[in-house]
Amino acid sequence: ILNVEQSPQSLHVQEGDSTNFTCSFPSSNFYALHWYRWETAKSPEALFVMTLNGDEKKKGRISATLNTKEGYSYLYIKGSQPEDSATYLCASPDKYGNKLVFGAGTILRVKS
Amino acid sequence: GAVVSQHPSRVICKSGTSVKIECRSLDFQATTMFWYRQFPKQSLMLMATSNEGSKATYEQGVEKDKFLINHASLTLSTLTVTSAHPEDSSFYICSAPDRGPTYEQYFGPGTRLTVT
Repeated sequence: ILNVEQSPQSLHVQEGDSTNFTCSFPSSNFYALHWYRWETAKSPEALFVMTLNGDEKKKGRISATLNTKEGYSYLYIKGSQPEDSATYLCASPDKYGNKLVFGAGTILRVKS
Repeated sequence: GAVVSQHPSRVICKSGTSVKIECRSLDFQATTMFWYRQFPKQSLMLMATSNEGSKATYEQGVEKDKFLINHASLTLSTLTVTSAHPEDSSFYICSAPDRGPTYEQYFGPGTRLTVT
């Protein structure tokens, strides 16, 4: 069973702080790694889809890196703002490529 | 990007009744759709994979007789919560995958179910 793990479980930072969190996944049978931003009771918002080892993607103040050989991805947020408060989910397709397996998420709270 | 809709967005029902939630892919065909549920303060839990023209595949621990899934066409999957109980109150989201190699998911806006 594909196991996708995220850490930390939650994070509280001050406005303006930069922060990062981790997603770990099995390095074998890797297809892709997805990052989503999710506010409770809303639809998850796709941030990045990453496929290549060493890939780095950026969207505004948010960026992500991927290491498929060691099985981890980092999500970075530069200069956190209160509106960045959300749950950040990572997910990877299972070995059959049929469905996404989600991590438990990292809850980010940014205080102004 | 592709659009997935869900209906209704919110529903309140009484214990013992059944509720149907629809998931539609608006501008693409989806032979597969996924149904997720969010438990309080928890992440998304995959409930089942809906397969067009065949039986749904349920995840371990999900009662197939309780959560009936029908995927009657390439653009519509339905989830029926039968004989609903208050513990079924939750946020249900569907998604449909991109056909490309990255398996990107397009999510519906979700349905908030409250069982009284």
